[in-house]
This record gives sequence, C-alpha cells and structure tokens, in this order.
Amino acid sequence: SQTIHQWPATLVQPVGSPLSLECTVEGTSNPNLYWYRQAAGRGLQLLFYSVGIGQISSEVPQNLSASRPQDRQFILSSKKLLLSDSGFYLCAWSPLGTGSYEQYFGPGTRLTVT
Amino acid sequence: GQSLEQPSEVTAVEGAIVQINCTYQTSGFYGLSWYQQHDGGAPTFLSYNALDGLEETGRFSSFLSRSDSYGYLLLQELQMKDSASYFCAVRGGSGNTGKLIFGQGTTLQVKP
Repeated sequence: SQTIHQWPATLVQPVGSPLSLECTVEGTSNPNLYWYRQAAGRGLQLLFYSVGIGQISSEVPQNLSASRPQDRQFILSSKKLLLSDSGFYLCAWSPLGTGSYEQYFGPGTRLTVT
Repeated sequence: GQSLEQPSEVTAVEGAIVQINCTYQTSGFYGLSWYQQHDGGAPTFLSYNALDGLEETGRFSSFLSRSDSYGYLLLQELQMKDSASYFCAVRGGSGNTGKLIFGQGTTLQVKP
C-alpha cells in the first residue's frame, strides 16, 4: 500500500530564517506530487506541482521554491521566511496518467513564523 | 481560470440530512471531487462525479449537473464525527498534471 510522509509535524521559525520541508511517498512509482498551503479556516492553495524528477511548476509567485531530487521525494524550501509564510503545509500525491481526481495527502506541517 | 463557491458554514443536528452546495467556473471540465478535512488533519477523498447524476457511497452522496456548473454533497444520518470541513475541487490545467483547484471549504457543525 502507498503511504506519504511529511516532516516535521510542527515548526516555529523566526522571520528571515531558511526553511526546508520534506515529503516522501512509498509504495508507488512516478507519482504526481503537490505542495499546498492552507491558512487557518481557509481553503487549499496549490503552491507547486511536479510530474517528474526535476520538473517543477510554480502556481503562485512567492519566496518559496520546490525541488524533486528523487522520484518519490518532494522538498519545499525558502531562503528567508516571511510572517505571511505561516500556515499548514500539505504534501499530496496522485497516480500519474489517471483522471487524477483523487489526491492523497500527507499529515501536514504546521509552520509558525515569528 | 477556475473558481469554486461553497457556503462557509452549515449547521445540522445529529441524525439529520445536510446538503453542501458547490458552484464552479472552469475552462474545460473534468469532474467534481469532494474532500473531507477534520480539524488539524489532512484532507481525505470522499467522492467524484464526472457525469451528471447522483453517486452514492454509504451515507454520503454527491450530485453533479454540468449544464448548471453545480454540484452538491449530501450527508445522511449525520453523526458527530461528520463535523469537519468539506471541500469541492475541480481539475485545473490539462494533460497529466492532476492539478486540483479547491473551493474555500464548508465547515459543518453537527449538534447533538
């Protein structure tokens, strides 16, 4: 069966510090991968998606970046965090080449920038 | 572009039936999905409609009318554990990206 891992679960970082969130998927190959951010009481904002190693598409201009160094690894980074980067970050995957209406989400990372 | 509208909050009592509506605007339609998210948790997939009509999965049903760009999620025999946020989503983009555009979510509060 497939599982998706995210870490850390919670993170408190000062403004201006760097960020690295990691997501890994097990039990599947060539998944589509996604990073979302969710503000408190709000919907899911798609930040990045990837259809393959090294292939990253950005949805929202911001000071975040994403990388996919391995097939089942997706990393979200920032060089200098802003207060507005606080939120709940969710990684998700979907099978490649399907109707792709179903995504599977990781447990999320709750980031607080102080 | 794509956009979706849902009511922000719905309240119902245990054992009742509740309907959560979703209207969408999208260039190119590939189906409407529904996700459930409990407070502090991750979203989980509930249902998907590609064609008009009603899809039933246990206590949950989802309906789609493509001509009206409208769908709804129907929850029957409400239980306290159904208190959560519910999101509708449409596929964005084309090809095999699998991108989903989510609505802002409807918070369902089930009261005893």
